[in-house]
Amino acid sequence: AQSVTQLDSQVPVFEEAPVELRCNYSSSVSVYLFWYVQYPNQGLQLLLKYLSGSTLVKGINGFEAEFNKSQTSFHLRKPSVHISDTAEYFCAVRGSGYSTLTFGKGTMLLVSP
Amino acid sequence: DGGITQSPKYLFRKEGQNVTLSCEQNLNHDAMYWYRQDPGQGLRLIYYSQIVNDFQKGDIAEGYSVSREKKESFPLTVTSAQKNPTAFYLCASARGDPGDTQYFGPGTRLTVL
Repeated sequence: AQSVTQLDSQVPVFEEAPVELRCNYSSSVSVYLFWYVQYPNQGLQLLLKYLSGSTLVKGINGFEAEFNKSQTSFHLRKPSVHISDTAEYFCAVRGSGYSTLTFGKGTMLLVSP
Repeated sequence: DGGITQSPKYLFRKEGQNVTLSCEQNLNHDAMYWYRQDPGQGLRLIYYSQIVNDFQKGDIAEGYSVSREKKESFPLTVTSAQKNPTAFYLCASARGDPGDTQYFGPGTRLTVL
């Protein structure tokens, strides 16, 4: 079975501060990992994904994530957030041999001035 | 423009009525997915299809039905057997390989009165 745990349901942060959104996964096989962003009342948009190779993955809008196999984590980071980054962020995993993604419950990033 | 369309954006139905949600893609993707989103629950998979004329149940298929008669279309019917149908429904598509990005439609918000 595969599962994803997003440790924080909400993360409040001030504009221009750094942020880290945490994601841990469970899978008995090798994995593909994804971060998606959802703005209110919209669909999801891919931020970045890890397939193989370098463990540091860079995505859109200045976000990056690091795959840590020993800690089964894939935390998302941004060095300086903007008001426009206010959204819900979802981590997802797909294990090798699985046909579908499993999503975490999401982390709401709240950026205030 | 290539993408996924879902219609309508908002849908209201009376309890006991079946309702069909539309999902169309022009990305030439083989795989299509239906998710349900409830506050604090993340995305839960209802049904998915990896090829025309074939589909599989996801984690919460009870009370839902689908068809996949054309590659570009994957409609979802919410039946009267679904005990709590009020939710935000998201459709997605992908080429079908394990590391592929899923592309999401804008969603349909269904309210059952």
